[in-house]
Amino acid sequence: EDKVVQSPLSLVVHEGDTVTLNCSYEVTNFRSLLWYKQEKKAPTFLFMLTSSGIEKKSGRLSSILDKKELFSILNITATQTGDSAIYLCAVITSYDKVIFGPGTSLSVIP
Amino acid sequence: DVKVTQSSRYLVKRTGEKVFLECVQDMDHENMFWYRQDPGLGLRLIYFSYDVKMKEKGDIPEGYSVSREKKERFSLILESASTNQTSMYLCASQGAMGQPTYEQYFGPGTRLTVT
Repeated sequence: EDKVVQSPLSLVVHEGDTVTLNCSYEVTNFRSLLWYKQEKKAPTFLFMLTSSGIEKKSGRLSSILDKKELFSILNITATQTGDSAIYLCAVITSYDKVIFGPGTSLSVIP
Repeated sequence: DVKVTQSSRYLVKRTGEKVFLECVQDMDHENMFWYRQDPGLGLRLIYFSYDVKMKEKGDIPEGYSVSREKKERFSLILESASTNQTSMYLCASQGAMGQPTYEQYFGPGTRLTVT
C-alpha cells in the first residue's frame, strides 16, 4: 500500500532556530514529491522535487530528495513566527495518484 | 475509510461548452479543494471551500467557478471550456484545523480533454 510518513507530527521552536522536517515514502512508481505550507485554509505550494540530490531553495527554505533512501527533508533556517503552519508532503506516482502525508504542525514562538 | 468520489474518470468536451465536475466526500470534512495537475507543474489549486457556501480562489481560478451548497459536495464549473483547460482535475477533502493530522484525501481524478 502506498504511504507517505512525516515526522515529527508536531514541533515547537523559538524564533531564530533552524528546523528540519522529514518526509519518507513507500510508493509504486514514484514520479515527484511536493512540499506545501498550509497556514489557515488552503495549502501553498513550496517545492516540487523530481531528481535526487538537487537542492531547491527559496529564501530561508530549502529541500532535497533522496530517491535511494526514499525520503525528503525540508529545512527552514532562522525561523520566524510567520513560519508557523502545517507543512504537508505529497508524492505523485506515475499513475497520477497523489498521496499526502499527515503533515507536520510547526509553531514558532517569539 | 475516507471516500472521495468524482463524477467522471474521463470526459471529452468541445470548446465553449459548460462543464460540471462533481466531487462528493463522506467524512463530514469542512475543507474541500479543487486542483489541476499538469506534467511538470505539480498540483495547482483552483478553488477551495472551508464551509458550505464559502469559497475562496486558489492560485489559478481564472476560467473556473465553484459551488458548495451542501457540506459533502463541491462542484467545479468551467463556464466555457477552452483547450488550455485540458488537464487532470483532482478533488480533495480535509478535516478542520485542530485535528491530529491534516492529510488531504483525494478522489480518483477526472481527466478532461477539451477539443
